[in-house]
Amino acid sequence: AQKITQTQPGMFVQEKEAVTLDCTYDTSDPSYGLFWYKQPSSGEMIFLIYQGSYDQQNATEGRYSLNFQKARKSANLVISASQLGDSAMYFCASDEDAGKSTFGDGTTLTVKP
Amino acid sequence: SAVISQKPSRDICQRGTSLTIQCQVDSQVTMMFWYRQQPGQSLTLIATANQGSEATYESGFVIDKFPISRPNLTFSTLTVSNMSPEDSSIYLCSWASGIGLEQFFGPGTRLTVL
Repeated sequence: AQKITQTQPGMFVQEKEAVTLDCTYDTSDPSYGLFWYKQPSSGEMIFLIYQGSYDQQNATEGRYSLNFQKARKSANLVISASQLGDSAMYFCASDEDAGKSTFGDGTTLTVKP
Repeated sequence: SAVISQKPSRDICQRGTSLTIQCQVDSQVTMMFWYRQQPGQSLTLIATANQGSEATYESGFVIDKFPISRPNLTFSTLTVSNMSPEDSSIYLCSWASGIGLEQFFGPGTRLTVL
């Protein structure tokens, strides 16, 4: 089974600044996908960004980018120009066989005005 | 992408009772999953809901406690049986369009067991 590690239980960032949320993974599969989800206090899970193990370039989606370093097995999420609405729990996840996902413990991000 | 809804959105139940959570997708999807998120924790996969066959349960979860139905490609139910306070969690269903692709989650069901 795959393992996802998020070492930052909580992070603070000033509004309009960038923040990096760490994620490392452990898998022996040559083909895998990595995902980031956002969970606001309402509890819904919102898909943010995806990186495939064979993708040559780092994924980007608007203000979200994924700093994918395959040799180090890390897939950090970078949020640029933070907004107050970015305050939420963020989960890193990887796919397993048959489409199942393994989730990290999450990082609580607080954006300060 | 298909929109997914869950009912109920929240419930407060008594110990020893059962609750059935419904998950509806507005188009046909192949893969559906049920997750549990205990307070302050991450998501844990309960089972994969297979259309036309029994669900595939993860280690630590059994059919007697969490029976799942998947009668068609747009609908699934999860029952939390003989509930105890330890079952108080958010239960989420999700779907994926294929292996290695992102999952889309329902809004979740917040369950409190007294």
